Amino acid sequence: NAGVTQTPKFQVLKTGQSMTLQCAQDMNHNSMYWYRQDPGMGLRLIYYSASEGTTDKGEVPNGYNVSRLNKREFSLRLESAAPSQTSVYFCASRRDRGTGYTFGSGTRLTVV
Amino acid sequence: DQQVKQNSPSLSVQEGRISILNCDYTNSMFDYFLWYKKYPAEGPTFLISISSIKDKNEDGRFTVFLNKSAKHLSLHIVPSQPGDSAVYFCAASAFGNRDDKIIFGKGTRLHILP
Repeated sequence: NAGVTQTPKFQVLKTGQSMTLQCAQDMNHNSMYWYRQDPGMGLRLIYYSASEGTTDKGEVPNGYNVSRLNKREFSLRLESAAPSQTSVYFCASRRDRGTGYTFGSGTRLTVV
Repeated sequence: DQQVKQNSPSLSVQEGRISILNCDYTNSMFDYFLWYKKYPAEGPTFLISISSIKDKNEDGRFTVFLNKSAKHLSLHIVPSQPGDSAVYFCAASAFGNRDDKIIFGKGTRLHILP
């Protein structure tokens, strides 16, 4: 039982490049989330998907897009990476409201 | 506008003693509270939660206390062990709201001293 799987684990991008962070969960959870973690800032929500076919903006959505491909997969796309997007990105899923998240192990992204 | 506040960025506690991590919230709609633990280079892992209908929840060495009138919760770890050294995030959500988000605090780094 893998839980939440994120790929890649590490990535270095040049400013202006694009990339997609992949996330998949095998727990049949309904909701999925993308957070970023920066020093002194805690975990900030970028986008979330409460159910298959829906996505909503979180606290810091600018510069990102998401796709809820199916119930298992929720991807995060950076169309034109900026140094301010250097961060550790966590994907999480949740069965329903009233339960906690299960997090992936993170993607460490550096934009130079 | 921080809805979940952890005012202590770090805390050092002697091994075997009690660790107390504090958290304050501002949104009175929050009714479900969680604590997550995070080691370096790993994702956060769920530790313990409490619903607003309770004022205490215990799981082994970990106890969470909720004071709704003060909008304050705390995590007690007794006794503290070296493996407890980690960053702890307080989090909250509003079950009754349409939106599905959990809001996290900035975290407190706990150091357990030998």
